[in-house]
Amino acid sequence: GQQLNQSPQSMFIQEGEDVSMNCTSSSIFNTWLWYKQEPGEGPVLLIALYKAGELTSNGRLTAQFGITRKDSFLNISASIPSDVGIYFCAGPLQTGANNLFFGTGTRLTVIP
Amino acid sequence: GAGVSQSPSNKVTEKGKDVELRCDPISGHTALYWYRQRLGQGLEFLIYFQGNSAPDKSGLPSDRFSAERTGESVSTLTIQRTQQEDSAVYLCASSRGLAETQYFGPGTRLLVL
Repeated sequence: GQQLNQSPQSMFIQEGEDVSMNCTSSSIFNTWLWYKQEPGEGPVLLIALYKAGELTSNGRLTAQFGITRKDSFLNISASIPSDVGIYFCAGPLQTGANNLFFGTGTRLTVIP
Repeated sequence: GAGVSQSPSNKVTEKGKDVELRCDPISGHTALYWYRQRLGQGLEFLIYFQGNSAPDKSGLPSDRFSAERTGESVSTLTIQRTQQEDSAVYLCASSRGLAETQYFGPGTRLLVL
């Protein structure tokens, strides 16, 4: 079945370091979304990507839509303690579909 | 508040009992979604409602799961004859319309003993 694999599964980094995580799919996605989930909360949308090759930034976050449409990358620069959480990639399985398919998540821990 | 709200925030129940979870979407949002998140995993789509259209129930794992929505407001997710494997966080999201950004509620943490 369809899978969105995220790597790494977890990361422990020092405050101030840059972070890079990725998401790969067995099939093509036409939209890539990156969400962050903090403990006890629902996911919050960080960045949305709609075009292959697109590179989009949101503050210290930068995400890219892979050329093959089967992967996406999220980078966080100069990490801070409040970056802690689980980062999920997601996307609609079919163009125009309304339900989202979520990846397995990358758990980020930032050590002050 | 302006966000999606869910109740209860936590629910502990005994195996075999029925539970009802509630979601209040953002006012004016025509689409409403339910997802399930098992411990340490990503979100699994369960069902969505869009306006007056028939709901997409394709993600419901069994006939013990059902959901209703009154107009474009409150939705309830019902799980009948709960099983231990139903233990999870149930998240609700709403969006202004089709393919619009989904805003999530804080979830209901369900524990079936």
